[in-house]
Amino acid sequence: EIVMTQSPATLSVSLGERVTLSCRASQSVTTNLAWYQQKPGQAPRLLISGASTRATGIPARFSGSGSATEFTLTISNLQSEDFAIYYCQQYNDWPPYTFGQGTKLEIK
Amino acid sequence: QVQLVESGGGFVKPGGSLRVSCEVSGFMFNDYFMSWIRQAPGKGLEWVAYISRDGSTIYYTDSVKGRFTISRDNTKNSLHLQMNSLRDEDTAVYYCARHGAINDYFDSWGPGTLLTVSS
Repeated sequence: EIVMTQSPATLSVSLGERVTLSCRASQSVTTNLAWYQQKPGQAPRLLISGASTRATGIPARFSGSGSATEFTLTISNLQSEDFAIYYCQQYNDWPPYTFGQGTKLEIK
Repeated sequence: QVQLVESGGGFVKPGGSLRVSCEVSGFMFNDYFMSWIRQAPGKGLEWVAYISRDGSTIYYTDSVKGRFTISRDNTKNSLHLQMNSLRDEDTAVYYCARHGAINDYFDSWGPGTLLTVSS
């Protein structure tokens, strides 16, 4: 099973800042990596697939990069609606599909 | 527009059974792989089960093998998860999720249904 590790667990940032979230895989997942955003009481929403392809309707301030075992999600010009929990997920080697434990973005 | 709506969650005692369902609309259901994913209170996401377009291929996470059964009815645009021998640790919000058209990320999710297992 591929273990996904996200860091940090919590990130405190201010509106308008740029932030980078990290996700590491225990073995290569090539670029079969997705990012999701989850707000309290809501289902996760797909942000990025293929490590760097934004899903339909996702603003350009969200960008993903990386390959193999190291991935990042960068959010530029943070807006109030961006404060949420972010999860990465690998779909290169399954079952099982595996998620990271999440990074919570908080307002500083 | 794509919609997935789960139902059937509730309160069950350990050892009990429950069936949750997901009704979908806005897309050709039989063109998509589907999964159930769960989230225990205050915890992260855990993939539970997968079913292929025609139901011929099924996978489960190890902790539910032999207890849970995923199924689908393409004539009724519905996905199901029969859960037996429930344990406290099965308590979670259960989401149905559609796989991407060309790859196995999850591009659409329902709002989820809560299962609570407790004595």
